[in-house]
Amino acid sequence: DAGVIQSPRHEVTEMGQEVTLRCKPISGHDYLFWYRQTMMRGLELLIYFNNNVPIDDSGMPEDRFSAKMPNASFSTLKIQPSEPRDSAVYFCASSLQGAFGETQYFGPGTRLLVL
Amino acid sequence: GENVEQHPSTLSVQEGDSAVIKCTYSDSASNYFPWYKQELGKRPQLIIDIRSNVGEKKDQRIAVTLNKTAKHFSLHITETQPEDSAVYFCAARSAGNQFYFGTGTSLTVIP
Repeated sequence: DAGVIQSPRHEVTEMGQEVTLRCKPISGHDYLFWYRQTMMRGLELLIYFNNNVPIDDSGMPEDRFSAKMPNASFSTLKIQPSEPRDSAVYFCASSLQGAFGETQYFGPGTRLLVL
Repeated sequence: GENVEQHPSTLSVQEGDSAVIKCTYSDSASNYFPWYKQELGKRPQLIIDIRSNVGEKKDQRIAVTLNKTAKHFSLHITETQPEDSAVYFCAARSAGNQFYFGTGTSLTVIP
C-alpha cells in the first residue's frame, strides 16, 4: 500500500487566491482527518469524515475553509480566499474503525505558503 | 470532549540516558493511546501504541505505560541515541474515533 497520498506537496500562492489540497486515504480506511500544523498552534484537527460523511467540522477556522469527500478514496480541503495566516503544513490522515480502533496514518503533508 | 496534556515541552538528555514523556487525558472513555515521532519536515509517524486493556507495552528501546485510574500514560525511551531527537506527540482516541493530540515534546539527544 502506498500509504496516505497528498497533493500538492508544496503550494505557494498569493493572498486572495483559491487553494485546493487533495488527499487519497489508505484503501479500506473509513475515517479521514484533516489537520493543520503551525509552530504557534501545534497540530489542529480541522475536520474529519466517517464513510465519506463529515462528522465534526468544529475545527474549521472560518467559512473560507471547506472540505469534501465525494468518495471513499478522495477528499479535498479548499481555502477561498486564502490569507497569509493560512500558511501552514496541512496533513491528511486516515484510520480504520475497529473494536479498539486503529491508529491514524498521516500523509506527507502539503506545505502552504500564502504571500 | 477529551483534553490531552503533555509534559515536558522540551527535553534534553545525554546520549545513552533515558527519556520520559508524560501525558494525561480527561475522558475515561478514551481507549487507545498512540505515540508519534515527527522529525523536522516530516510527517508524524507511529512509534508505539497501547490500548486500554493493557498496562504496559514494550518495543526494543521504547515502552509505554498506561494508568487508567489516574488517566495518564507515559513514553519511555532507554539508551537514547542522537537519531531519537525529534518532536514526540501523544494522543488519545475517544469513543467516537476522534484523536486528541498533546502539544508535543521536543527531544534533543546530546552526543
